Amino acid sequence: IAGITQAPTSQILAAGRRMTLRCTQDMRHNAMYWYRQDLGLGLRLIHYSNTAGTTGKGEVPDGYSVSRANTDDFPLTLASAVPSQTSVYFCASSRSGGADTQYFGPGTRLTVL
Amino acid sequence: GQNIDQPTEMTATEGAIVQINCTYQTSGFNGLFWYQQHAGEAPTFLSYNVLDGLEEKGRFSSFLSRSKGYSYLLLKELQMKDSASYLCASADSNYQLIWGAGTKLIIKP
Repeated sequence: IAGITQAPTSQILAAGRRMTLRCTQDMRHNAMYWYRQDLGLGLRLIHYSNTAGTTGKGEVPDGYSVSRANTDDFPLTLASAVPSQTSVYFCASSRSGGADTQYFGPGTRLTVL
Repeated sequence: GQNIDQPTEMTATEGAIVQINCTYQTSGFNGLFWYQQHAGEAPTFLSYNVLDGLEEKGRFSSFLSRSKGYSYLLLKELQMKDSASYLCASADSNYQLIWGAGTKLIIKP
């Protein structure tokens, strides 16, 4: 692995189902982020983690949860998916939680029907 | 509130120069980022400015005026591969990035 990987690449999900999007980085970055990107809107931060064991809420956290058990992995869980969560989800990481360059994974395209 | 404004779409000719503007209003300021995003791909880092002035990196340059809350990205000698969306993002007082909706740049031969 080099950089950040995300899985799955795309997913169609029935409303009400639970879904976990996976994100793994091998750069030993301390900070990790989850964004959603919707047409006509900027990237919006869902949750972040400045270091393993800590997480924080971003701009649009409702309906999502995260965990950061170790440095490399930062899964995003939708407990009960709704159609408004249809979006492209990007995971990113940076060396620290300061104004460091963020490196993005390839994204997960999620459709909730 | 926090706000980033940039044009929705711009068109330019191969070989020409284009300037993409961005104005920002954020709670605190810890720098301004520019990212490039090709359709269907992830954003990739282009530049970071925290001090006033122009930073040049090959064909791309980025300018910042903190007093005016204004930045621009200058692309010279445009190539067809520069067709992409260009995202402006301001780091706020908590170092969270506030993103603009992006400027779609169309390059014509």
